[in-house]
Amino acid sequence: QVQLQQSGPGLVKPSQTLSVTCAISGDSVSSNTVAWNWIRQSPSRGLEWLGRTWYWSRWYYEFAVSVKSRITINADTTKNQLLLQLSSVTPEDTAVYYCARWDHEERYFDLWGRGTLVTVSS
Amino acid sequence: DIVMTQSPLSLSVPPGEPASISCRSSQSLLYSNGNNCLNWYLQKPGQSPQLLIYFASSRASGVPDRFSGSGSGTDFTLKISRVEAEDVGVYYCMHALHTPLTFGRGTTVDIK
Repeated sequence: QVQLQQSGPGLVKPSQTLSVTCAISGDSVSSNTVAWNWIRQSPSRGLEWLGRTWYWSRWYYEFAVSVKSRITINADTTKNQLLLQLSSVTPEDTAVYYCARWDHEERYFDLWGRGTLVTVSS
Repeated sequence: DIVMTQSPLSLSVPPGEPASISCRSSQSLLYSNGNNCLNWYLQKPGQSPQLLIYFASSRASGVPDRFSGSGSGTDFTLKISRVEAEDVGVYYCMHALHTPLTFGRGTTVDIK
């Protein structure tokens, strides 16, 4: 059974970097049939897709324009996990952050992590 | 970016009665394989979203057949033939045509 186990600090200070990890079990971060995504949810912005990575002979990345200058997504093949980093955070980045698996062929998110609430506050 | 507009914002339905949610996209979601790239998700209270429908009308594995999706181009509908207590939550449509993937604002369904 595939599972996504998320972890990360719940509180981040403004201007610092937010980091959330998504440990994958039952699948490989290097699978060439899926992409690994980060999505966040807040009352003001709703569900917002942030970016994704996938492997097909090399690593590919796509990011939302709204966070493109601040986001980093890393796939750690040794630990089989995904890492989200968002720099220079403001209170507007306060949200529940989800990792989610995207099926390339069927074009859907078929698996979501349980979410990590990150609050940006001093 | 494709804008996804859902209606209504909320729905209160007696058990056993039908429910219908509309979703409109700002551009056609017709994909090169002939399918419409529209997904429906349900987020139950305290949970992550879960896939209900993909390609506008295909039910995901394990989804009860009281859920059905229809529509093409820019107009889509999710129908629940007989609402049950376990169906409460927020329903989201999402376009799956290309990035950035975007979601509707959601429709909250509760039991009257």
